Amino acid sequence: DAGVTQSPTHLIKTRGQQVTLRCSPKSGHDTVSWYQQALGQGPQFIFQYYEEEERQRGNFPDRFSGHQFPNYSSELNVNALLLGDSALYLCASSLELAGYTDTQYFGPGTRLTVL
Amino acid sequence: AQSVSQHNHHVILSEAASLELGCNYSYGGTVNLFWYVQYPGQHLQLLLKYFSGDPLVKGIKGFEAEFIKSKFSFNLRKPSVQWSDTAEYFCAVIEVDTGRRALTFGSGTRLQVQP
Repeated sequence: DAGVTQSPTHLIKTRGQQVTLRCSPKSGHDTVSWYQQALGQGPQFIFQYYEEEERQRGNFPDRFSGHQFPNYSSELNVNALLLGDSALYLCASSLELAGYTDTQYFGPGTRLTVL
Repeated sequence: AQSVSQHNHHVILSEAASLELGCNYSYGGTVNLFWYVQYPGQHLQLLLKYFSGDPLVKGIKGFEAEFIKSKFSFNLRKPSVQWSDTAEYFCAVIEVDTGRRALTFGSGTRLQVQP
């Protein structure tokens, strides 16, 4: 049973560019959440996708957007990259239960470096 | 906004020593609580979780945590650490009764176990 997978592993971009990160959830999961983890910090919630819609969003600008596909996989897009966007981007998958999200399981992350 | 505090940023122990890592959260309503661990070069893994019931929760690798509602705490313990427990430990909380789906993480505790 494959866990959460993310691609690519590493990415180097320059300021102003755009980036797309990808995530495949754990088998049987229908919900994908994205987190940003800066060096030495805990992960910060970006947004969550369920039924192909953004359901909740953290305190991130509109430059951060996403998408969920019918097979539950998801993409995170970041436009107009800033140096401060350099971080580890984590995808977490979970199963939506009656009114709440069950335990979130994390992928290995994509390390984004913005030069 | 919800906050999670991990007061010990860096802990150094010798093998066989006992471990207790502190975690306090601010939300006064119903919460689900988690401890995640990030071993060097690996992704975030679930160590244990509390949803309801017995406030003393047992997880993998001999770890346990105790939920004390009156103190807003969920401290992680292990009676005898091993060198392989060297990792970063994150406490995380979800507010259940607000409908929020986002995990709020603490800033993490780096545990170094010396052989």
